Amino acid sequence: DAGVIQSPRHEVTEMGQEVTLRCKPISGHNSLFWYRQTMMRGLELLIYFNNNVPIDDSGMPEDRFSAKMPNASFSTLKIQPSEPRDSAVYFCASTQGGSGGYNEQFFGPGTRLTVL
Amino acid sequence: AQSVTQLDSQVPVFEEAPVELRCNYSSSVSVYLFWYVQYPNQGLQLLLKYLSGSTLVKGINGFEAEFNKSQTSFHLRKPSVHISDTAEYFCAVSERDGQNFVFGPGTRLSVLP
Repeated sequence: DAGVIQSPRHEVTEMGQEVTLRCKPISGHNSLFWYRQTMMRGLELLIYFNNNVPIDDSGMPEDRFSAKMPNASFSTLKIQPSEPRDSAVYFCASTQGGSGGYNEQFFGPGTRLTVL
Repeated sequence: AQSVTQLDSQVPVFEEAPVELRCNYSSSVSVYLFWYVQYPNQGLQLLLKYLSGSTLVKGINGFEAEFNKSQTSFHLRKPSVHISDTAEYFCAVSERDGQNFVFGPGTRLSVLP
């Protein structure tokens, strides 16, 4: 299995531009998570999907952030407009089952976003 | 809701010395416990997990952790560390019958030559 795939691996953009991060979960996994990692705040859960439906988006910072999962094999996280404080590494993770339980989460390699 | 505390944000240790990374959790329900490792410029990967049974759990790369229910702890140990163990380590807790999976703030382990 190829594992969780994220693209792009690196993104440099200017303030005000739209940014779209992409994720392909492991085949057969029905839960998907988006995390953000910064030195200041550590690892933060942004949103969690189960069976393509957003279950918990309480971690999404503000209306500039949106996430979609149109099918079981693809998800996007969009930031519009982007700001310098959005600079971080964004991780996608997937698992079988729900957010709780005994199944481990499998992480992608992350997208390093820099907003100038 | 559960929470995870990792008291040490950074742990420097010399090569071949033993190390213990501390993790404490709080939860009103039964939980599963996990340790993840994040090597530089990589995503997190599972090191070990406690589901049930023996409270001593062995993981990859010579790491082990012990579940202590009375102290609500799940400390990670390795008897002799290598330079390659330099990474950030995250403790996580998951509700057995719930929908919550929570990561701790992480401990950065630096192994010095």
